[in-house]
Amino acid sequence: SQQGEEDPQALSIQEGENATMNCSYKTSINNLQWYRQNSGRGLVHLILIRSNEREKHSGRLRVTLDTSKKSSSLLITASRAADTASYFCATDAGWGRNDMRFGAGTRLTVKP
Amino acid sequence: DVKVTQSSRYLVKRTGEKVFLECVQDMDHENMFWYRQDPGLGLRLIYFSYDVKMKEKGDIPEGYSVSREKKERFSLILESASTNQTSMYLCASRSGQGGEKLFFGSGTQLSVL
Repeated sequence: SQQGEEDPQALSIQEGENATMNCSYKTSINNLQWYRQNSGRGLVHLILIRSNEREKHSGRLRVTLDTSKKSSSLLITASRAADTASYFCATDAGWGRNDMRFGAGTRLTVKP
Repeated sequence: DVKVTQSSRYLVKRTGEKVFLECVQDMDHENMFWYRQDPGLGLRLIYFSYDVKMKEKGDIPEGYSVSREKKERFSLILESASTNQTSMYLCASRSGQGGEKLFFGSGTQLSVL
């Protein structure tokens, strides 16, 4: 079953604007990760936030995690045309589990 | 950098054929995964393996089997391909020694006619 659900399904913004994507999940987690996929290619890891963390930054990326609401958000600041891609959240199934589940993704389009 | 290699980028097969999708990683990772990706459905886990000869079913294992005879290689097998198995197949791996992030291959777009 899908663990994560991203919202919105698609997002279109202008270069320089900020993009916010949300992810909700269903079960307890060890960590939550965000991945990026350029069209038709494999996924690339962006950032990981652990269940005991509330916020994490990496360059223009900011991730928040609210375990009480079972939700996370990914903020991309000062977006660029090169940020156009699909973004997925992924969660493991908890401590000691090896399997990871992904959501359906958010398709981000950044217009020059 | 970790490299995860999928043997074919595009594959066209006939209904009823037995299909093998191969995945090789070069970083001695314990864990390997097979996902399929369909528009609007995201990635769905088919099978994963946490050690040689060990495997566990994911969410959609029906119609698939896997083989892991060597640590670096994880094969996905479609016993009798059907048109509803037309999809993008993604292989991934990660370390079992506290490793957390997944490394993905470039994917195999399989068309079953």
